[in-house]
Amino acid sequence: RKEVEQDPGPFNVPEGATVAFNCTYSNSASQSFFWYRQDCRKEPKLLMSVYSSGNEDGRFTAQLNRASQYISLLIRDSKLSDSATYLCVVSWSGGTSYGKLTFGQGTILTVHP
Amino acid sequence: DGGITQSPKYLFRKEGQNVTLSCEQNLNHDAMYWYRQDPGQGLRLIYYSQIVNDFQKGDIAEGYSVSREKKESFPLTVTSAQKNPTAFYHCATGTGGYREQFFGPGTRLTVL
Repeated sequence: RKEVEQDPGPFNVPEGATVAFNCTYSNSASQSFFWYRQDCRKEPKLLMSVYSSGNEDGRFTAQLNRASQYISLLIRDSKLSDSATYLCVVSWSGGTSYGKLTFGQGTILTVHP
Repeated sequence: DGGITQSPKYLFRKEGQNVTLSCEQNLNHDAMYWYRQDPGQGLRLIYYSQIVNDFQKGDIAEGYSVSREKKESFPLTVTSAQKNPTAFYHCATGTGGYREQFFGPGTRLTVL
């Protein structure tokens, strides 16, 4: 089983749609959770951290369910500029004294007019 | 202008050659990381460094080497022992531990 699993998509949605991405992680000792966005041939950029209480940033809402080891990202009122690959990222000790990030393979989103 | 710079943006290597990828940061972050990304794949950790003069192997360190002589710099050498080095290489920095990381623009390495 992969440490972080995402539905690779692609998700093709019209402008204005609401779309949700899911992610599961295997390590119950995971400490921190993030969503990153990556445009084609560019670097990943931090979209938002994910907290147990859930958090919202404008049109984006992230949820964490530690019991089910499940993370979600909801995008409301999709824009053309939201088209990108969304990476689910989990941080855990990795057997070392330092934290390490583990990346999912990403979910591709295409928003069309 | 704060940030992370990587050079070169594109790099071509002949088989059997070693090449070094540069990563410099002026964010005053203690931790620096190197990742490899293959098409359609997630990022995989090659090496990381939490402090100057110390670094640790990541998940796919074979065929790679690093140094951390300065806080601002963390160069990655892709050696001839790396059998399939063609990939996108990302450098990242952070304050360490379980906290978020920030990425440079990347270097695309192609072996001819």
